Amino acid sequence: DTEVTQTPKHLVMGMTNKKSLKCEQHMGHRAMYWYKQKAKKPPELMFVYSYEKLSINESVPSRFSPECPNSSLLNLHLHALQPEDSALYLCASSQESSGGSYNEQFFGPGTRLTVL
Amino acid sequence: AQRVTQPEKLLSVFKGAPVELKCNYSYSGSPELFWYVQYSRQRLQLLLRHISRESIKGFTADLNKGETSFHLKKPFAQEEDSAMYYCALKTSYDKVIFGPGTSLSVIP
Repeated sequence: DTEVTQTPKHLVMGMTNKKSLKCEQHMGHRAMYWYKQKAKKPPELMFVYSYEKLSINESVPSRFSPECPNSSLLNLHLHALQPEDSALYLCASSQESSGGSYNEQFFGPGTRLTVL
Repeated sequence: AQRVTQPEKLLSVFKGAPVELKCNYSYSGSPELFWYVQYSRQRLQLLLRHISRESIKGFTADLNKGETSFHLKKPFAQEEDSAMYYCALKTSYDKVIFGPGTSLSVIP
């Protein structure tokens, strides 16, 4: 399996709901990422997990809570979101997150989130 | 400041014409630069990186440190090249920042 998968494809939620986005890869990658992409804008990094530990948090509001239960799975828990959080949420993975040369990030198709 | 700029939001060229997508960067260290592409209804994928100096799908990009540029070029555009192109800069570890993107449209 050489793909990053994300579920669900689409999600509509109210501001009081709690939901989760799921990302999975079986390429043996040890680094996983969450990005947020607004319409007609580039992806913006939210979180990086390296060897199942959170290594980068780009000052993301606490209503977004990442979780990496194992090396193949990455979740993003959502609670009390705002309408401006509506966006495409992309997951990516790479061989490892290191200080050396860049390891290509493989992106999933994204989850289209709408907050009402 | 670490920054990537792509001056053209939209670029239209005729099939068979040369195409150049511009990218400029601002970075204090030794830069690592990439081009990512997103075709319609497909996921974002790496097109090429400056370190490998390779040609992918006929595209090349040369890093010009003097002009802080990393323009993407192809001598003869094809319809299947129509896509959104992002220039990206590695800032630390595997963290990259993306430019605003250029939407390329190749007219048959």
